[in-house]
Amino acid sequence: AQSVTQLGSHVSVSEGALVLLRCNYSSSVPPYLFWYVQYPNQGLQLLLKYTTGATLVKGINGFEAEFKKSETSFHLTKPSAHMSDAAEYFCAVSSYTDKLIFGTGTRLQVFP
Amino acid sequence: AAGVIQSPRHLIKEKRETATLKCYPIPRHDTVYWYQQGPGQDPQFLISFYEKMQSDKGSIPDRFSAQQFSDYHSELNMSSLELGDSALYFCASLGQKNTGELFFGEGSRLTVL
Repeated sequence: AQSVTQLGSHVSVSEGALVLLRCNYSSSVPPYLFWYVQYPNQGLQLLLKYTTGATLVKGINGFEAEFKKSETSFHLTKPSAHMSDAAEYFCAVSSYTDKLIFGTGTRLQVFP
Repeated sequence: AAGVIQSPRHLIKEKRETATLKCYPIPRHDTVYWYQQGPGQDPQFLISFYEKMQSDKGSIPDRFSAQQFSDYHSELNMSSLELGDSALYFCASLGQKNTGELFFGEGSRLTVL
């Protein structure tokens, strides 16, 4: 069975500050890991993904995440927050052809 | 590029009515997933289909049924609707099988009054 834990349901940062959203996973098989962003009343947009290869993955809008197997983590970071980054962020795990399991989400607020 | 198409985008129903949501996957994608996202909740897996056969089942109520047709589109049928069924319903299709990346539609928002 696979699961995802997102630490912190709400994260607040100032514009220009570092964004760090935490995600830990549990998987009995090599995981595929994803971060999705959801703006109010909109669908799910893929930010980035890790399947195999390089453990540091870069996504859209300046976000990146690092797969750390020893820590079973896949934290999402962005060096400098923008107001437009305010949204709900979901970490998700799957495996080859399996369904996607989502974490409970982290709401990011960005203050001017 | 073609994306996953869901219809209708918005639907309002009364309690005990029925509703049908449709999903058209990306061309040549043969696997479809349905998710339900309640207000303030994370998406919950309902059911999936591969090559027109049910491949996995999650927390889908017995009042709901789904199928995948020969053209790979899928329909989610919901009967005896309850207030708690009000949610955003996402459909996703599976991309290249060696990445496991799901491509999501924009969702169908169901409101039960």
